[in-house]
Amino acid sequence: LAKTTQPISMDSYEGQEVNITCSHNNIATNDYITWYQQFPSQGPRFIIQGYKTKVTNEVASLFIPADRKSSTLSLPRVSLSDTAVYYCPLLLTGGGNKLTFGTGTQLKVEL
Amino acid sequence: EAQVTQNPRYLITVTGKKLTVTCSQNMNHEYMSWYRQDPGLGLRQIYYSMNVEATDKGDVPEGYKVSRKEKRNFPLILESPSPNQTSLYFCASSLTGDNEQFFGPGTRLTVL
Repeated sequence: LAKTTQPISMDSYEGQEVNITCSHNNIATNDYITWYQQFPSQGPRFIIQGYKTKVTNEVASLFIPADRKSSTLSLPRVSLSDTAVYYCPLLLTGGGNKLTFGTGTQLKVEL
Repeated sequence: EAQVTQNPRYLITVTGKKLTVTCSQNMNHEYMSWYRQDPGLGLRQIYYSMNVEATDKGDVPEGYKVSRKEKRNFPLILESPSPNQTSLYFCASSLTGDNEQFFGPGTRLTVL
């Protein structure tokens, strides 16, 4: 199974752009790249999903290079409420549609 | 409100006493799944279901059972719980499985 690697933690300040990178060197053809956010004592919440190139929605952008061995989640102008753990699980389609979670990145946003 | 609900939210039990954690979704999703979350290990899939009467094992199915008799419900059954099943459990659902998964609030289980 493809494994993901992320920084354990990141710190930022309100109003800044935050970029979190995820490494997935063994990504398979059927894998989609997804990002989830998790607050303490809550279930993960979907942020964005992509296969290649760039995807943007109302809360974030996802950058995926041509080789797909990494991805970067970009959060524009973070606020205190963005303090959470961010995961970049690969979605294995056709094989149980399993999300393979790593240990995530704890993002801390300060004033 | 579109949501995934789990019950109970917290449960303390003893080894060997059968228990069921219920999961229900109101979004008419085809796909449902169970995960457990343990410190340092992330979330791991226990079982999944592509549709009614269609279930299959995930990465860590030992000691668990599931059933999918109705589209909205996907209960997780521990026939004989053991202390190594102490964990935080999440149910999730998705329209077809290859898109956004919606997670429930979690069930914290302690087996003594």
